[in-house]
Amino acid sequence: EAGVAQSPRYKIIEKRQSVAFWCNPISGHATLYWYQQILGQGPKLLIQFQNNGVVDDSQLPKDRFSAERLKGVDSTLKIQPAKLEDSAVYLCASSLAGGLVSNYEQYFGPGTRLTVT
Amino acid sequence: AQSVTQLGSHVSVSEGALVLLRCNYSSSVPPYLFWYVQYPNQGLQLLLKYTSAATLVKGINGFEAEFKKSETSFHLTKPSAHMSDAAEYFCAVSGRAGNNRKLIWGLGTSLAVNP
Repeated sequence: EAGVAQSPRYKIIEKRQSVAFWCNPISGHATLYWYQQILGQGPKLLIQFQNNGVVDDSQLPKDRFSAERLKGVDSTLKIQPAKLEDSAVYLCASSLAGGLVSNYEQYFGPGTRLTVT
Repeated sequence: AQSVTQLGSHVSVSEGALVLLRCNYSSSVPPYLFWYVQYPNQGLQLLLKYTSAATLVKGINGFEAEFKKSETSFHLTKPSAHMSDAAEYFCAVSGRAGNNRKLIWGLGTSLAVNP
């Protein structure tokens, strides 16, 4: 079974530029998550999709961050314009949906390391 | 509201020694508890999870954790450390229904294993 795919793995941009990250979840996983992980901290949930609908985006800085999952499969996360404090690893995860806790186990991709200079 | 506290941001052990990584949680509802491991430049991998069955949970790579409700703890242990165990370890908690299912993460503990 293929895992969660993310690209690019690394990205360096200047502040005020824009950047986009791509995620392809495990086949059949209805739920997709984007996390921001700043060095030395735990992951912070930015947005959660159930199929192509947003379940939780309460911690997404909507003035500069946007995400979409148009066909309920792969997803893109965009930052425009980037700030220095956006330097972090952006993790994508996916899980099945259902009533059993095992269906909520999250499988993570390798992440995209963003450096804003 | 739920929260997780991992005691000790850095832990160093010798190869072959006991590994003990501490996690305490706060939850107003019966929790689910998780330990994840993150190797350098990789994503997070689930080590083990507590879902209200047995309080002693065995995971991958020889790790186990015990849920102690009276102490609100879910400490991670391994009897004998291996060099390959060097990584970042995260404890996480979630509720069991609806919006409480969101994972709340600790800050992580970096484990170093010395030869």
